[in-house]
Amino acid sequence: AQSVTQLGSHVSVSEGALVLLRCNYSSSVPPYLFWYVQYPNQGLQLLLKYTTGATLVKGINGFEAEFKKSETSFHLTKPSAHMSDAAEYFCAVSAYPLGSQGNLIFGKGTKLSVKP
Amino acid sequence: DAMVIQNPRYQVTQFGKPVTLSCSQTLNHNVMYWYQQKSSQAPKLLFHYYDKDFNNEADTPDNFQSRRPNTSFCFLDIRSPGLGDAAMYLCATSRRGAGENEKLFFGSGTQLSVL
Repeated sequence: AQSVTQLGSHVSVSEGALVLLRCNYSSSVPPYLFWYVQYPNQGLQLLLKYTTGATLVKGINGFEAEFKKSETSFHLTKPSAHMSDAAEYFCAVSAYPLGSQGNLIFGKGTKLSVKP
Repeated sequence: DAMVIQNPRYQVTQFGKPVTLSCSQTLNHNVMYWYQQKSSQAPKLLFHYYDKDFNNEADTPDNFQSRRPNTSFCFLDIRSPGLGDAAMYLCATSRRGAGENEKLFFGSGTQLSVL
């Protein structure tokens, strides 16, 4: 069985500050991990994914995440927040490499606010 | 440029009155999914079609049905909506067999209200 826990339903940062969104997972098999972003009134968009190989994954819009097996974590970071980063972010885990079978287990999401 | 299109954006129905949500895609993807996302909760997969093969999740209520008349369209039918069915319904597509390039493409969702 797999599950995802996102710590903090709301995170607020100042423009230019570090963004850190936390995600911990539980999986009985080697996990495949994803971060999605949902802007207001839009669908989910893939930010980045970890399947195998390098544990530091770079995604779109300057975001990156690091897979830490010992900590069962896949935290999302961005060095400098921009106003346009305000959105809801979902961490997801799958037993399949591409999540393409829809068997993604999503976390409850973290709403990111960016203050001027 | 819209690739996964959901109509309408907002849908209001009455308790117990059947309602249909629609999804179309211009990507020619072979898989189409329906997710339910309640307020402040994670999206939850209801079912998906792989070509014409229907795959229902074990805990999806019988009240929810789906139809896929052709590659481009997929419908979500709620036979007797209850207040607890009020949610955002997300359609997604993917091309199974595309290897590393395979990923989910989501529509903007339909927000369903039940009065």
